[in-house]
Amino acid sequence: GAGVSQSPSNKVTEKGKDVELRCDPISGHTALYWYRQSLGQGLEFLIYFQGNSAPDKSGLPSDRFSAERTGGSVSTLTIQRTQQEDSAVYLCASSLGGSGTYNEQFFGPGTRLTVL
Amino acid sequence: DAKTTQPPSMDCAEGRAANLPCNHSTISGNEYVYWYRQIHSQGPQYIIHGLKNNETNEMASLIITEDRKSSTLILPHATLRDTAVYYCIVRVAGAAGNKLTFGGGTRVLVKP
Repeated sequence: GAGVSQSPSNKVTEKGKDVELRCDPISGHTALYWYRQSLGQGLEFLIYFQGNSAPDKSGLPSDRFSAERTGGSVSTLTIQRTQQEDSAVYLCASSLGGSGTYNEQFFGPGTRLTVL
Repeated sequence: DAKTTQPPSMDCAEGRAANLPCNHSTISGNEYVYWYRQIHSQGPQYIIHGLKNNETNEMASLIITEDRKSSTLILPHATLRDTAVYYCIVRVAGAAGNKLTFGGGTRVLVKP
């Protein structure tokens, strides 16, 4: 595809349920990021994947959050036992990756998660 | 990463230049200034970045003061589609992960 895609676009779930959010990065991009944005707030980093390296999980808010990236492409963010404070827009971004220079991050449209 | 300060909101007339200020008085010598914007219900979009020289691309111009403690993003001919929240970030280029952290930004409303 032409850009980063995410699914679903909207997800409503009940407190305590598990949810999975999907991200399809731009083909050829080795770096993939997950962020979340609560209502009216700025961007909060969650996790970063770069090629086959161990992911940077330093932004995950609790052990209920996990993410994987299979085959260096598609990524899934899983939130277990969802809480109301998990309600936010979850954004995925990808870039050419690597360090030493700045590679523009391209963002997907996000998944709006609402926990009732 | 150095902290940035931006006005919370500003209005701009369509067709006129929009000048968005950003203060970053604690910026370090190896930190760049980046600008992103976020149109309602969309993901953030990269605009431009620079170190100390002024930069221009097809979207905007970035003017950085000589002491690098502040900068201005210029949208030369604002259109209604430029209505968005604009984020100014300072960080080291090539930092591990290049992860972004946005503050409150400036909410720009372009009026006809």
